[in-house]
Amino acid sequence: DAGVTQSPTHLIKTRGQQVTLRCSPISGHKSVSWYQQVLGQGPQFIFQYYEKEERGRGNFPDRFSARQFPNYSSELNVNALLLGDSALYLCASSGGLAGGVYNEQFFGPGTRLTVL
Amino acid sequence: GESVGLHLPTLSVQEGDNSIINCAYSNSASDYFIWYKQESGKGPQFIIDIRSNMDKRQGQRVTVLLNKTVKHLSLQIAATQPGDSAVYFCAENIGKGGSYIPTFGRGTSLIVHP
Repeated sequence: DAGVTQSPTHLIKTRGQQVTLRCSPISGHKSVSWYQQVLGQGPQFIFQYYEKEERGRGNFPDRFSARQFPNYSSELNVNALLLGDSALYLCASSGGLAGGVYNEQFFGPGTRLTVL
Repeated sequence: GESVGLHLPTLSVQEGDNSIINCAYSNSASDYFIWYKQESGKGPQFIIDIRSNMDKRQGQRVTVLLNKTVKHLSLQIAATQPGDSAVYFCAENIGKGGSYIPTFGRGTSLIVHP
């Protein structure tokens, strides 16, 4: 079975540009979360989507946006790129959300974004 | 692949030894905790979890201990193997709006020498 897939694997952009990252969850998973991992640090939560609705948002500026499609795949968009946006962007999928029950997240390999 | 272990606290052990990785969490309201393993070039991989109503949980070769009084977690790996070499993260989770939002710690790089 395919795990979480992300595209592209690597990306180089310049300051001020916009970028779109893509994620396909494990088949049957309805929840997708996005994380930013700066080198040498743990992942930082950006967004969580479930059934195409935003269910959580981390402390990131409005330049960051995301959406989830009917097939549960997701895109993360970042506008007006800054040098500090250079990081590994991770996508994770889980079966669902249930109050009081945590569904295990499965992470993809990430997209390495470099902003010059 | 590019290492995620740069500038992280590092634990070096010999193959066969037991390893203990520690983590301090920040929010006393956190009620669910997870340990992840991240190998170079890969995303984090779930190892073991524990809820706040427990103080110990065991898996295969791994044990997680939770001390809520001092907001401390530890991951014990028995008979450490070279394949255990990776960066290990703890994540504290707080329930919010029906879901859990994780906050990851900084990570510890485990190096296992054959």
